[in-house]
Amino acid sequence: EVQLLESGGGLVQPGGSLRLSCAASGFSFSSYAMSWGRQAPGKGLEWVSTIRSSGDGTYYADSVKGRFTISRDNSKNTLYLQMNSLRAEDTAVYYCAKPAVASVWGAFDIWGQGTMVTVSS
Amino acid sequence: DIQMTQSPSSLSASVGDRVTITCRASQGISNYLAWYQQKPGKVPNLLIYAASTLQSGVPSRFSGSGSGTDFTLTISSLQPEDVATYYCQRYNSGPPLTFGGGTKVEIK
Repeated sequence: EVQLLESGGGLVQPGGSLRLSCAASGFSFSSYAMSWGRQAPGKGLEWVSTIRSSGDGTYYADSVKGRFTISRDNSKNTLYLQMNSLRAEDTAVYYCAKPAVASVWGAFDIWGQGTMVTVSS
Repeated sequence: DIQMTQSPSSLSASVGDRVTITCRASQGISNYLAWYQQKPGKVPNLLIYAASTLQSGVPSRFSGSGSGTDFTLTISSLQPEDVATYYCQRYNSGPPLTFGGGTKVEIK
């Protein structure tokens, strides 16, 4: 069974840092670009970042560029999101997502269960 | 950046009704358009990709159409389990992978 399992969320003060992890199983992780998305409480979905399968290309939403860093360890089948200089508006459920096809850009057929990040003093 | 505009933002319909949701892209995106269903408290679920291709396991009452800038998601006969928020997303040629604002579907 294809699965994505996020961890690392929690409560952090404004200006703080947090690293999210996403453990993948059931598919050839190293063959797929992977992405992070988020959903603020009561709001819609927002794409955050994508990383190419080999890690040699990364892309970010303007809202997080310069503060967040996406990375991956294909030997551990794990995706990461390092979040620095966190702001209240970063409060959201963060999802990792896999595209349906082994292409950088694709519809997401598998989503993790999400991990909640709360930025508050 | 390409903007994705969904309408309506919410709708209420009776069981058995035909429901149509529209999504408009600010620039042409060919058929690189996906639709997701998100039930309350749940993870988004891919319904349709490439504008009109039904994802495996999705009931046939869901269908998608369109190309270029105008797209529609249709539920041919609304069922109680279809209560959810529906999102479109474009995924052509690079970031950002913009989502529409969502359409909340309720039963009348």
